[in-house]
Amino acid sequence: NAGVTQTPKFRVLKTGQSMTLLCAQDMNHEYMYWYRQDPGMGLRLIHYSVGEGTTAKGEVPDGYNVSRLKKQNFLLGLESAAPSQTSVYFCASSTGNNQPQHFGDGTRLSIL
Amino acid sequence: GNSVTQMEGPVTLSEEAFLTINCTYTATGYPSLFWYVQYPGEGLQLLLKATKADDKGSNKGFEATYRKETTSFHLEKGSVQVSDSAVYFCAPTFSDTGNQFYFGTGTSLTVIP
Repeated sequence: NAGVTQTPKFRVLKTGQSMTLLCAQDMNHEYMYWYRQDPGMGLRLIHYSVGEGTTAKGEVPDGYNVSRLKKQNFLLGLESAAPSQTSVYFCASSTGNNQPQHFGDGTRLSIL
Repeated sequence: GNSVTQMEGPVTLSEEAFLTINCTYTATGYPSLFWYVQYPGEGLQLLLKATKADDKGSNKGFEATYRKETTSFHLEKGSVQVSDSAVYFCAPTFSDTGNQFYFGTGTSLTVIP
């Protein structure tokens, strides 16, 4: 029973490089989310999706793009990585609004 | 506007001690309230929730009561164990923001034998 799986778990990038973080869920959830977690700041919502083919901006969307081409996958892209994007990224999914979210184990990303 | 304020840590307790982690919120409406727990190296897990005033959420010996009059949702446990060492997040959802979660800054708890 995998739940929410994030790939990769760790990555080091140089400034200006691009990469895509993959989130996959096997619970048939409609809603998916990307957060970043920084020391002393809790979790902040980057982008989210309420269904296949839809995406919306969260609290801190700048510098990121997302796609939800399949219901079970939610991709987070960094087109030109910056040191300020060094963080731990969490993906989550839920059945809908106001419902508990299920989280992956996170991706630790360092930008040099 | 909407906001959440959570007790800052870190908190260190001896095993079997009583735990309280304070959480208060400001809101224009009536949010649903959640507590999540994050164990080292893992993602967040739902600990408990309450969706209306005076509801009490409980799980694994933890409890929290939705107090509308004080806009609070304090987390309590009567006797903590070493295995409770983790980071705890208070997370209200507000209907005027599409029910998105607002996470508190987290409170780190360490329980020593």
